[in-house]
Parts: sequence; C-alpha cells; structure tokens
Amino acid sequence: DTEVTQTPKHLVMGMTNKKSLKCEQHMGHRAMYWYKQKAKKPPELMFVYSYEKLSINESVPSRFSPECPNSSLLNLHLHALQPEDSALYLCASSQWGTGTGEQYFGPGTRLTVT
Amino acid sequence: SQQGEEDPQALSIQEGENATMNCSYKTSINNLQWYRQNSGRGLVHLILIRSNEREKHSGRLRVTLDTSKKSSSLLITASRAADTASYFCAPRDTDKLIFGTGTRLQVFP
Repeated sequence: DTEVTQTPKHLVMGMTNKKSLKCEQHMGHRAMYWYKQKAKKPPELMFVYSYEKLSINESVPSRFSPECPNSSLLNLHLHALQPEDSALYLCASSQWGTGTGEQYFGPGTRLTVT
Repeated sequence: SQQGEEDPQALSIQEGENATMNCSYKTSINNLQWYRQNSGRGLVHLILIRSNEREKHSGRLRVTLDTSKKSSSLLITASRAADTASYFCAPRDTDKLIFGTGTRLQVFP
C-alpha cells in the first residue's frame, strides 16, 4: 500500500468552529508532514513529525494544532481560523525521520473558512 | 531561502514535443527532487537526484544537476496531453524540502 489518505476531501467551516483534518499512511514511514498550498503557489511546509515527535514547526499560528497519535496517523486540529487560512492542506510521509527521501502526498483537504 | 525558482512560469506545447523546465536555488544541497501536481491534487514524486550526480533518467524524464551553477533542469520527451500539470523542483535543505515556484505545463493534443 503506497497511499496516503486524507479526510475530509472538502471542509467548509466558520471562524468560530473547531474541526480536524486527518491523514493516514500504512507504509511504515517514520516522518509525516503538513503543508499548506494557496492557489497557483507552491506548497508551504507547516509541520514535520519525525518518529512521532514534532521536529519542525514553521512558525505556524497556534490556531493550527498538529497531533500524531501513532506512527500511521497525523491530525491537524483547527480552531478560530481566518478566511485567509482557506487553502489546500496536504499531508505527506517519507520513509525516514530525516526527511531525506521522496515524499508521498495525499490528495489534500480543500478548506474554506467563511 | 533555499526555495528553488523555476523558469518558465508557464509553458504550452503540442503533443510529441519536448518540454524543458529549469530550476535555480541558492545554497548547497544534499539532493534535489522534482514533483508533479495535477490541478488541485496531491503531488507525485518524479525523480530524485543527489548532489554527486549530474544526470538521471526515468522513462521519458531526464534531470540534470549542476551544483556549481546551483541549477537543475527537467526534460520531458515526447510529451502527452496527460503530462499537463504543474511541476515543482524541491531542493532539499538539511531536514526539509522547500518547493520551488513551479512551472505550469500545458500539452495540447
């Protein structure tokens, strides 16, 4: 299984809502990533988990809260978002914790904040 | 920033033609990767070239790397309509990838 799955595919939420994005991989990868991508822009790294520990936080606002319950799962908890947070949120994984090799991406969650 | 900058930003060609995309970056790297993204979807890894390699092939893809010029190129030969996508280079920093600005390739049947 070489697939990274993400749920939901689409999410619309108000600025006072709390929601979560979910990412799952069963490739035994030890690093997992969250990226944010605005239209016609490259993905921007948000967080990196290496061996289930947060190793990189790219100065992301606290309204985004990542969680790695186990080596196969990665969540992104959302609270009090702003309309400018509307974007495609991509999850990825790579085999080793150092993130040296290729990354496998999920299809993304299209988030709209109203 | 380690981010790659790609040239051209957009490229339109006919099926059967070759497409070349260029990437420049700023600091030393361990490897450089190329990814493809179909509209609004996840990225797909195409090829990884290490800093001690100069050229690499994978099917219709050919990647070159010139570390002295801090540049890389991706050549897609005999393009197909299905190659229509955005292509990103990603120089690898010490512990993360920083994606380049991307080239939007359109291949007309």
